[in-house]
Amino acid sequence: NAGVTQTPKFQVLKTGQSMTLQCAQDMNHNSMYWYRQDPGMGLRLIYYSASEGTTDKGEVPNGYNVSRLNKREFSLRLESAAPSQTSVYFCASSGTAGGTQYFGPGTRLLVL
Amino acid sequence: GQQLNQSPQSMFIQEGEDVSMNCTSSSIFNTWLWYKQDPGEGPVLLIALYKAGELTSNGRLTAQFGITRKDSFLNISASIPSDVGIYFCAGQLSGGSQGNLIFGKGTKLSVKP
Repeated sequence: NAGVTQTPKFQVLKTGQSMTLQCAQDMNHNSMYWYRQDPGMGLRLIYYSASEGTTDKGEVPNGYNVSRLNKREFSLRLESAAPSQTSVYFCASSGTAGGTQYFGPGTRLLVL
Repeated sequence: GQQLNQSPQSMFIQEGEDVSMNCTSSSIFNTWLWYKQDPGEGPVLLIALYKAGELTSNGRLTAQFGITRKDSFLNISASIPSDVGIYFCAGQLSGGSQGNLIFGKGTKLSVKP
C-alpha cells in the first residue's frame, strides 16, 4: 500500500518551460490537493479536487492548472514556469473533503 | 485570509526534556491536526483532534483542542533525537465542503544528544 506517490522527485526547469507534476493515491480517497511549501511560509493550497470531476482554486492558484484525471490521479501543470515557482510541491488526499489529509513525499522544483 | 500563529518558531532542547508548542488563530476551527515533517519528506499526521476540549495522546505526544476552538497545543514528553523535525499545526475551518486546511508556519525542533 503506497499511499500517495508523486513524480518526479526533483526537477530543474528554465524560465518559460512547462511541466506536469503527477500525483496518485491508492487509498480510494475522494479528495485530492496540491500544496506548495516555501521556507518560513508553511504549506499553501494551490488547487484541490473535492471529488472526481471537480477542481477548485486554493490560496495561490496563479500560474498553475490542474487535472483530476480519474479518482486516483491529480496532476499539476505549470504552463510557463517562473523563478517564483521554485518550491517544494506536495500532493495530499483525504477520504472526503472534510477528512484528514495524507501527504506524498513531495517534488522539489527549481526554476532558473 | 485566515492565519495560524504557531510558536515557537524553533527550539533547541536537551534530550529527555519535555517540549510544548502551540497554535492560535482568530478563526474558529472544526478540526485541529498536528503533522511532523522530516527533512526531505512530506508531512506525516501525528494527532487529529475533532472536538473542543479533546485531549489525545499518541505515545509520548499529547495534543489538546482548545475550548474556544481557536487554539491547540502539542506536548512531547522525554524528547529523543528522532523527534528532530518540523512540526506543523493545521486547522480545518468550520463549514464549507472543500476541507481546506490552514497551516501554521511550523516549529523546528532540534535536540542536543
